[in-house]
Amino acid sequence: EIVLTQSPGTLSLSPGERATLSCRASQSVGSGYLAWYQQKPGQAPRLLIYGTSSRATGIPDRFSGSGSGTDFTLTISRLEPEDFAVYCCQQYGNSPRTFGQGTKVEIK
Amino acid sequence: QVQLQESGPGLVKPSETLSLTCTVSGGSIYGYYWSWIRQPPGKGLEWIGCIFYSGSTIYNPSLKSRVTISADMSKNQISLKLRSVTAADTAVYYCARDQRGTSALDYWGQGTLVTVSP
Repeated sequence: EIVLTQSPGTLSLSPGERATLSCRASQSVGSGYLAWYQQKPGQAPRLLIYGTSSRATGIPDRFSGSGSGTDFTLTISRLEPEDFAVYCCQQYGNSPRTFGQGTKVEIK
Repeated sequence: QVQLQESGPGLVKPSETLSLTCTVSGGSIYGYYWSWIRQPPGKGLEWIGCIFYSGSTIYNPSLKSRVTISADMSKNQISLKLRSVTAADTAVYYCARDQRGTSALDYWGQGTLVTVSP
């Protein structure tokens, strides 16, 4: 199974700053089938990005995804107050589908 | 707007079977894959498996021997059964829809906490 390792574990930033989150796979993710989700306490995850770089419906353009092979990045260009949450990546190119352990973006 | 709602017992005894239902409203289960995912308290997400509306399934090998996922088109429901549970199966269980054309999960239920305890 593909293991996804996210870094950093916690990112402390201020509103308006840029956030760069990393997701590294233990082997190449087939066809760039990599998604990013946002999860707030007590809520279900919310799909942000699929296919490495496509924004899901209704997701603001301050969220962007990039990468290929084993290295993927989620960038939030300017943090809004509602963006402070946990972000996790998921690969769905190989079975079983797997998730990263998450990066917490907290207010500095 | 598609909505998913998980339901089932919140407490299950060790060695028994965990049974959950996901009711889909605002849309049909027809034509989509539907997944079950779980999240132990304070931990990350684990994909359990998925089912196509017609009944074909794919399971996570780590749980395959204990899991059955089924679909009922007449009720617009997806079900999960996990046998021989232990405390390690304590988690919030989510159902979710595979986005058409990809396997990213675009609609999620709110999740239901299942605790395994005597």
